[in-house]
Amino acid sequence: QVQLQESGPGLVKPSEILALICTVSGGSIDSDYWSWIRQPPGKGLEWIASISYTGIPNHNPSLKSRVSIAVDRMKKQFFLYLTSVTAADTAVYYCARKFDIWGRGTLVTVPS
Amino acid sequence: QAVVSQEASLTVSPGGTVTLTCESSTGAVTGGHYPYWFQQQPGHAPRALIYDISNRHSWTPARFSGSLLGGKAVLTLSGALPEDEADYYCLLSYSAGQFVFGGGTKVTVL
Repeated sequence: QVQLQESGPGLVKPSEILALICTVSGGSIDSDYWSWIRQPPGKGLEWIASISYTGIPNHNPSLKSRVSIAVDRMKKQFFLYLTSVTAADTAVYYCARKFDIWGRGTLVTVPS
Repeated sequence: QAVVSQEASLTVSPGGTVTLTCESSTGAVTGGHYPYWFQQQPGHAPRALIYDISNRHSWTPARFSGSLLGGKAVLTLSGALPEDEADYYCLLSYSAGQFVFGGGTKVTVL
């Protein structure tokens, strides 16, 4: 059964780059599309970006200028990069296969 | 960017039926939006319930069903159980590979 695990720093300084990794286990990354979603504390879900297994990305227009997404099929990992972070980027970040299988999420805090 | 709207909160009695809706600011929700529904318990990751309007995942209880009605995506919970108390989110797909979540509905079983 496919499982996803997010990893990355729990604390990022303002104006720096947030980099997260999603590692896929128990299945192949050579199909479907892979997504990042976030949830600020006490708030709803926000789609950030998705990438096909062939590496074609799509981004939320509200974040597009700051977001990059990439995939490494050999390592069975995909990545999220968010530049120029502010306190508003504090959230639990989830990775997902399409939107059916989700990781447990990782909290990223950007102090104000 | 489109805005997807859901009821802020709904209450259902144990054993009762509740209907959640998902509306798009761009017009009627259709099959082309591939509506998804998710359940999120406090402190947990969202869990997918329904995809492509009405398809259940293998883990989705049969008391959850999805449909389109009146230009909206609809999630119906029939025979509510205490463990169904949670936040529910819909997700719509738009052209150019864009996705938008609804604001979520807090369902109370009381």
